[in-house]
Amino acid sequence: DSGVTQTPKHLITATGQRVTLRCSPRSGDLSVYWYQQSLDQGLQFLIQYYNGEERAKGNILERFSAQQFPDLHSELNLSSLELGDSALYFCASSLTGAEGTQYFGPGTRLLVL
Amino acid sequence: TQLLEQSPQFLSIQEGENLTVYCNSSSVFSSLQWYRQEPGEGPVLLVTVVTGGEVKKLKRLTFQFGDARKDSSLHITAAQTGDTGLYLCAGALPNDYKLSFGAGTTVTVRA
Repeated sequence: DSGVTQTPKHLITATGQRVTLRCSPRSGDLSVYWYQQSLDQGLQFLIQYYNGEERAKGNILERFSAQQFPDLHSELNLSSLELGDSALYFCASSLTGAEGTQYFGPGTRLLVL
Repeated sequence: TQLLEQSPQFLSIQEGENLTVYCNSSSVFSSLQWYRQEPGEGPVLLVTVVTGGEVKKLKRLTFQFGDARKDSSLHITAAQTGDTGLYLCAGALPNDYKLSFGAGTTVTVRA
C-alpha cells in the first residue's frame, strides 16, 4: 500500500459525458501528479500540482483539467469524453516534487462507451 | 520517440534463471527509478538511484545506474514466479519536475 488513494476504482460512462477522478496523496506529500496509461501509449504524464499550484504540464488535452485543494487532495476532470479516453488514470504523490521518487495510487479504470 | 528505451520488450524465463532488463537514454538524468506493475494496479516503486555508478541491491534484485547517469539495468537472480510483472524505468531530468517513463519490459517467470 503506497498510501495514495484514488476513487472511484472503476468508471463506465458514455461519450460526451464528464467525469471527476479523485486522489488523496500520502500523508505529508505536497505534490500530486496525474498520469494516463493506455495499451498503445504507455504511461503518459498529464499534470503536476505542488501545494495547490500547477507546477508542470505534460500531454494533457484541453478537455481535461485538474486542481489541488487546500487539504492537498486533487481532482482530475475529464469532459466531452471520447472513446479514446478509455484508459487507466493514475495519481502519484511526492514530498516536494523536486525529487524524482513518486508513489502511485491504485488507479481509476475509465471505460467510455 | 521515448526518452527512455527499455529492452527487451518481453522476457519469458524459467523459474531459477537470471534475467537483466536495460533502460537506456541519450539524456542525463538527475535520478532514475524502477517500478513494477501488476495488471490493473498502480506501479510500485522498487528503487531510486541518484549517483552515477551506484549499485543498489533489494534481495535478489540488483539495480545499477550508469556512470554517466544515462542508463540503468535491473538484474534478477534466481527468478521466482512472483517476479512476474511489468518493469518500468522512469527518469527525472535535471530541473524538471516530471518523470519520463520507458515503455516497460513484461517479465514472465514460468514455474
